Amino acid sequence: AQKVTQAQTEISVVEKEDVTLDCVYETRDTTYYLFWYKQPPSGELVFLIRRNSFDEQNEISGRYSWNFQKSTSSFNFTITASQVVDSAVYFCALTRGGGGNKLTFGTGTQLKVEL
Amino acid sequence: DVKVTQSSRYLVKRTGEKVFLECVQDMDHENMFWYRQDPGLGLRLIYFSYDVKMKEKGDIPEGYSVSREKKERFSLILESASTNQTSMYLCASSLGTLHQPQHFGDGTRLSIL
Repeated sequence: AQKVTQAQTEISVVEKEDVTLDCVYETRDTTYYLFWYKQPPSGELVFLIRRNSFDEQNEISGRYSWNFQKSTSSFNFTITASQVVDSAVYFCALTRGGGGNKLTFGTGTQLKVEL
Repeated sequence: DVKVTQSSRYLVKRTGEKVFLECVQDMDHENMFWYRQDPGLGLRLIYFSYDVKMKEKGDIPEGYSVSREKKERFSLILESASTNQTSMYLCASSLGTLHQPQHFGDGTRLSIL
């Protein structure tokens, strides 16, 4: 069965610090996709990135970067020069087998960025 | 732009009531989902629908049912609400093509008294 572990329940940083959110997954599928979502205080989950299991290239989008390492089953998310607007709950998710785009979510990491 | 709309942001109901949570998407998506979100547990899938009138149980379907009579609308029904169903409920939709991201509504915070 799939499992996604986000061991960091809550992280607090000061603005402009870099922060890394960890995501470790378990799956027996050979083809799978990993996702990151952001949930600001307003409540709506916002899709950030999707990565497939055959593409281990790191991805950078502005201040956000993602490091996918199949060898350690990890898909970590780094925010560079954090800002107060980055304060949110971040979820990592993994596709399940059986089609339908169902996901298994981690328990989320609450990020607080303070001035 | 993608839009998933949930009918209520906050809802208070009484134990034993039949409760309807409505979700509408405007993107012609095939798949629709209902989750509940509880502290420390993340998002758990209640039900999933991959087409009109088609549904599939998720991880925690007990005490819930769903209805999808039209492609754009997916309703979650609490047959007889109980206090342990107090939670945040999130609706999502996605294209039917494999591995497409899900798009979420703002959520409904439901309190059962």
